[in-house]
Amino acid sequence: NSKVIQTPRYLVKGQGQKAKMRCIPEKGHPVVFWYQQNKNNEFKFLINFQNQEVLQQIDMTEKRFSAECPSNSPCSLEIQSSEAGDSALYLCASRTGGAHYAEQFFGPGTRLTVL
Amino acid sequence: GDSVTQTEGLVTVTEGLPVKLNCTYQTTYLTIAFFWYVQYLNEAPQVLLRSSTDNKRTEHQGFHATLHKSSSSFHLQKSSAQLSDSALYYCALSDHYGNEKITFGAGTKLTIKP
Repeated sequence: NSKVIQTPRYLVKGQGQKAKMRCIPEKGHPVVFWYQQNKNNEFKFLINFQNQEVLQQIDMTEKRFSAECPSNSPCSLEIQSSEAGDSALYLCASRTGGAHYAEQFFGPGTRLTVL
Repeated sequence: GDSVTQTEGLVTVTEGLPVKLNCTYQTTYLTIAFFWYVQYLNEAPQVLLRSSTDNKRTEHQGFHATLHKSSSSFHLQKSSAQLSDSALYYCALSDHYGNEKITFGAGTKLTIKP
């Protein structure tokens, strides 16, 4: 069973407001991913980190989304100015570094509703 | 870019009958790992099966899948469906070393009816 912790589980924001969610990866997992799962259950990769360094991120993430994984603190994903289209389940996943299989372990997600 | 195709959005099967969920892919990765993730209602996705070896059957919890690189497929099967198998199933691929993102298919909602 996954031990990735995400808070809050539910987040409601108005358009234009900041929305911030946090993720504690499994202990010993240096690689962290953020995905957005929309109402059609489709996944979209947003960003990933190894330790504190960004490995990849999509254009959307570069503009309105910011994310970090500071040492000894939870990882976070923040939407600077929420839009209705940002309403989705935001999933954090983590994995070990250099493992033979690329299995990622997911947290329960933060469900964001933008009114 | 890389893509995973799941042709069925919804599959309904009677309990006790076999299940097959289709998955094909396109990728530019040289080394790749494949997964079936299962997501139960209001829960996190979790790995059901994984494989990176061509033509080798992998099994877990009564489900099985075989990666066929010749046909770019990784279909999921089970010989006898159970009510508890009702869930969303995602086929996915990733770079073998895992620092790359996972590319998910659109998902198949499997409903098992009594």
